[in-house]
Amino acid sequence: KAGVTQTPRYLIKTRGQQVTLSCSPISGHRSVSWYQQTPGQGLQFLFEYFSETQRNKGNFPGRFSGRQFSNSRSEMNVSTLELGDSALYLCASSPRTSGTSTDTQYFGPGTRLTVL
Amino acid sequence: AQKVTQAQTEISVVEKEDVTLDCVYETRDTTYYLFWYKQPPSGELVFLIRRNSFDEQNEISGRYSWNFQKSTSSFNFTITASQVVDSAVYFCALSDAYRGKLQFGAGTQVVVTP
Repeated sequence: KAGVTQTPRYLIKTRGQQVTLSCSPISGHRSVSWYQQTPGQGLQFLFEYFSETQRNKGNFPGRFSGRQFSNSRSEMNVSTLELGDSALYLCASSPRTSGTSTDTQYFGPGTRLTVL
Repeated sequence: AQKVTQAQTEISVVEKEDVTLDCVYETRDTTYYLFWYKQPPSGELVFLIRRNSFDEQNEISGRYSWNFQKSTSSFNFTITASQVVDSAVYFCALSDAYRGKLQFGAGTQVVVTP
């Protein structure tokens, strides 16, 4: 089975721009979560989508948004980029067949975003 | 609130030495899940193990072993006979039973030199 894929792998943007990152989960997985990893803050949860609905959201400003499509693929968008948004953005998928979340999350390779 | 503490920032060992990574967690939930992930230089988080709060059995998988002790809220990870390929950052994480959010520790960098 193919793993979680993320595109693009690397991205360079300037302040004020917006960016869209894409994530394709493992086939059959219905839940997609996004995490931000920075040297200063470590790994932080952004949000989780399940069956096209946002189920959970972390403590990030409204500039960070996401969505999930009917095929479980997910995108996250960051508008009005700031220097502090430079990070590795990781996507994870899990089978999660219901409202419970006991399934393991499997991560993709990440998208390295640099904001200049 | 949930919290995961990995007090060791970096551990350096020579190949074939054993290395133990500490993980201490805090949660008010009675049902929760603990995880270990490995992050090699490539950046991808690789799943190693998952444990639920009702299963305190220790586990061994090849050179890896895990010691879960609810009494001390710890979930420690040992690499036996380390190899250079074990060099990576290792993260301990905690999840409750419902929300699907992983709370990660700060990670421990393991450096194995030949």
